[in-house]
Amino acid sequence: AQTVTQSQPEMSVQEAETVTLSCTYDTSESDYYLFWYKQPPSRQMILVIRQEAYKQQNATENRFSVNFQKAAKSFSLKISDSQLGDAAMYFCAYRSAWGGSEKLVFGKGTKLTVNP
Amino acid sequence: DTGVSQNPRHKITKRGQNVTFRCDPISEHNRLYWYRQTLGQGPEFLTYFQNEAQLEKSRLLSDRFSAERPKGSFSTLEIQRTEQGDSAMYLCASSLALAGPNEQFFGPGTRLTVL
Repeated sequence: AQTVTQSQPEMSVQEAETVTLSCTYDTSESDYYLFWYKQPPSRQMILVIRQEAYKQQNATENRFSVNFQKAAKSFSLKISDSQLGDAAMYFCAYRSAWGGSEKLVFGKGTKLTVNP
Repeated sequence: DTGVSQNPRHKITKRGQNVTFRCDPISEHNRLYWYRQTLGQGPEFLTYFQNEAQLEKSRLLSDRFSAERPKGSFSTLEIQRTEQGDSAMYLCASSLALAGPNEQFFGPGTRLTVL
């Protein structure tokens, strides 16, 4: 079974600075998808960024980018120019690309605090 | 607002009672998912539907849990004979049936407290 590990329960960053959230995963599959979801306090989870394992190029979405290291099974999220609205729980998630499974496997999350 | 909606938002019940939650997905989405999130944990997958067919179920979905999506639109999740360990946030998500890393859109959740 696949597992996702987020080793940083909490992180903090100063407004306008850059922060990197770590995620590692364990799988025997060669093709899969990786996601970062954001869950603001008392609000619903939203997708931040996604990556297909067969693509070597790291995904970017505006201030958000990932560092995908397939051999190391690592998928970190970098947030540049941090804003107060970035404060939230961030969850890393894995999904198999085979067998028709739609199941997202989530890590335990990292709570990000943005200091003004 | 055309996002995923869930009702009720909060439910307090006594141990042994049955509870039912409802999820209304984004209207054109044919896939619907249920997850459970306990305090300090990430969401855990329970089950998913494509249209009205339940295609995948987690081992977490014990005999006391049942989910339906009778007309391929809204879905209900019922928990029978609730236990204190069932206390959690129950999240619903929906998506289009697309190949690739299709985005699952989440609802606000139903927070269940079992006394």
